Amino acid sequence: AQSVTQPDIHITVSEGASLELRCNYSYGATPYLFWYVQSPGQGLQLLLKYFSGDTLVQGIKGFEAEFKRSQSSFNLRKPSVHWSDAAEYFCAVGAGSGNTGKLIFGQGTTLQVKP
Amino acid sequence: EPEVTQTPSHQVTQMGQEVILRCVPISNHLYFYWYRQILGQKVEFLVSFYNNEISEKSEIFDDQFSVERPDGSNFTLKIRSTKLEDSAMYFCASHGAGGPYEQYFGPGTRLTVT
Repeated sequence: AQSVTQPDIHITVSEGASLELRCNYSYGATPYLFWYVQSPGQGLQLLLKYFSGDTLVQGIKGFEAEFKRSQSSFNLRKPSVHWSDAAEYFCAVGAGSGNTGKLIFGQGTTLQVKP
Repeated sequence: EPEVTQTPSHQVTQMGQEVILRCVPISNHLYFYWYRQILGQKVEFLVSFYNNEISEKSEIFDDQFSVERPDGSNFTLKIRSTKLEDSAMYFCASHGAGGPYEQYFGPGTRLTVT
């Protein structure tokens, strides 16, 4: 069955430091992979997605993610974190069929940014 | 920028009562979804809806749940007889013909069943 694992429930980094959030997936076919961010009181906002092609994908807000098939991973990175990046981050895999886009989410990682 | 809206933002109900959660998807979108997130747990898919039919539903989406598009703008999730374990944040999402994964999410409705 398809699944997504985010090993880190909570991460704290200092402002200006680099960030890597881990995501591992289990999916039989070529996965469609996503990272979403949720700020308090807000909906889920798509940061970036991977469908095919270049395994390093760029997203909004300076985020990038790298798809590594051999490791079944899709880790999210940012070279320099800003205080406004504090939020909850969700990795997801697309598991729908036809035109429906069922997403399977990981547990989420809460990012805290220290001044 | 167009957005998905949901009402109410917070609903408190007593066990056994019926609740209807409302969503207004983006106007030209045709595919609609409900997800839920129990506090401290992962976001879970409930149901997808297209062309006035359920396309896919999860095991969670049992006979107590139903969805409807009563008019050209609203998309609703009804829980017929709420249980304590239905307490969760419910997210609506939609997308257009551009692709099934270009989903736009609403801010969620927090449902508390007492």
